[in-house]
Amino acid sequence: EAQVTQNPRYLITVTGKKLTVTCSQNMNHEYMSWYRQDPGLGLRQIYYSMNVEVTDKGDVPEGYKVSRKEKRNFPLILESPSPNQTSLYFCASSPTRLSADTQYFGPGTRLTVL
Amino acid sequence: AQSVSQHNHHVILSEAASLELGCNYSYGGTVNLFWYVQYPGQHLQLLLKYFSGDPLVKGIKGFEAEFIKSKFSFNLRKPSVQWSDTAEYFCAVILYNTDKLIFGTGTRLQVFP
Repeated sequence: EAQVTQNPRYLITVTGKKLTVTCSQNMNHEYMSWYRQDPGLGLRQIYYSMNVEVTDKGDVPEGYKVSRKEKRNFPLILESPSPNQTSLYFCASSPTRLSADTQYFGPGTRLTVL
Repeated sequence: AQSVSQHNHHVILSEAASLELGCNYSYGGTVNLFWYVQYPGQHLQLLLKYFSGDPLVKGIKGFEAEFIKSKFSFNLRKPSVQWSDTAEYFCAVILYNTDKLIFGTGTRLQVFP
């Protein structure tokens, strides 16, 4: 089944404890992206990647890192999480560049930073 | 900076009522436009999209949207809503030939039987 998977789905952690949220797609998509969703703010793009080893900042990259060593995986890394990073995170992928194609979203990861 | 506005934050309707959700964007160039739906507890799903051609776009589940370039709008419509349409709806815009997707803040729709 074609899908975007994220792990974990729920995570409660404490300030400063490094964490990684994994994202994987099995559709051989070139484009992958991370968003955070906050009430009243909609979805905001954190980072995106056009292909392996190619990443770029979205609108709210501060406090996050990403890597794209393989086409299928695009992990989101919080080196030192803070409470303002409590949010719902979505990973998404698209066959080609975003302006030419449709994005498919993962199920979301609800992160709470205490 | 480019932005997407959804003026209706919360809409409450009875079943069979007609729906129109507003979406306006601020960008003078070519855009690709999307409406996504997020059912409670689920991830975003694409309802419909406009890239070019006929400005009246039909999507899944009886939804449609009309791109009016002169008004920078892409309003979502459905003639008769159902209880199962209760969800949050997001309009999104990609500036042509970029890779950044800008979302509106969303409209929460509640449909009562």
